[in-house]
Amino acid sequence: DIQMTQSPSSLSASVGDRVTITCRASQSIRNYLNWYQQKPGKAPELLIYAASTLRSGVPSRFSGSGSGTEFTLTISSLQPEDFATYYCQQSYSTPDTFGGGAKVEI
Amino acid sequence: QVHLQESGPGLVKPSETLSLTCTVSGGSVNSDNYYWSWIRQSPGKGLEWIGYIYYNGNTNSNPSLKSRVTISKDTSKNQFSLRLSAVTAADTAVYYCARGTKWELLAGAFDIWGQGTMVTVSA
Repeated sequence: DIQMTQSPSSLSASVGDRVTITCRASQSIRNYLNWYQQKPGKAPELLIYAASTLRSGVPSRFSGSGSGTEFTLTISSLQPEDFATYYCQQSYSTPDTFGGGAKVEI
Repeated sequence: QVHLQESGPGLVKPSETLSLTCTVSGGSVNSDNYYWSWIRQSPGKGLEWIGYIYYNGNTNSNPSLKSRVTISKDTSKNQFSLRLSAVTAADTAVYYCARGTKWELLAGAFDIWGQGTMVTVSA
């Protein structure tokens, strides 16, 4: 299985801050990397697919980059509704695997 | 607008079989663009992909669970189902059904999720 490692696992930030979360794969996954946002008691929601393509309707303050084994999710200016946990997921090979999550809190 | 809804018992006894159903509305389990998937989330193991069923009935599941997992679909009801046998406390989790996409659509991402259902394994 491909292991996905996220860092940091949690971070404290303020409204307006620029936030960057990293996801590393145990082997190359090309650009088959997807990002999700999850709020307490809710299902994850897709934000970005193919490493850098913003899903329709997702605010442009979210962006993704990377390929191969290292990827980043950036929130350019943190908004109150962005406090949540973020997960990466590789879809390069089955079994699909997820990172352990990065919790963004105040 | 596609909507997925899980249903099934919230409590299962150890060694018994967990059975869940996902009802799809606004879309079809017969679409060849999607993989109808099950994913679970537990505090100890995070998000774990369980498996999927494709429009033609082909299935694939996580090797860590493969011998215990059965995924099926009922086209007439536009539903797909999960059976997980010989459950233990380690199978306690929130279970989600989700729509997985083909690579050429959304790079294999899960674009639609059900709200999730908590299943506890306990005597």
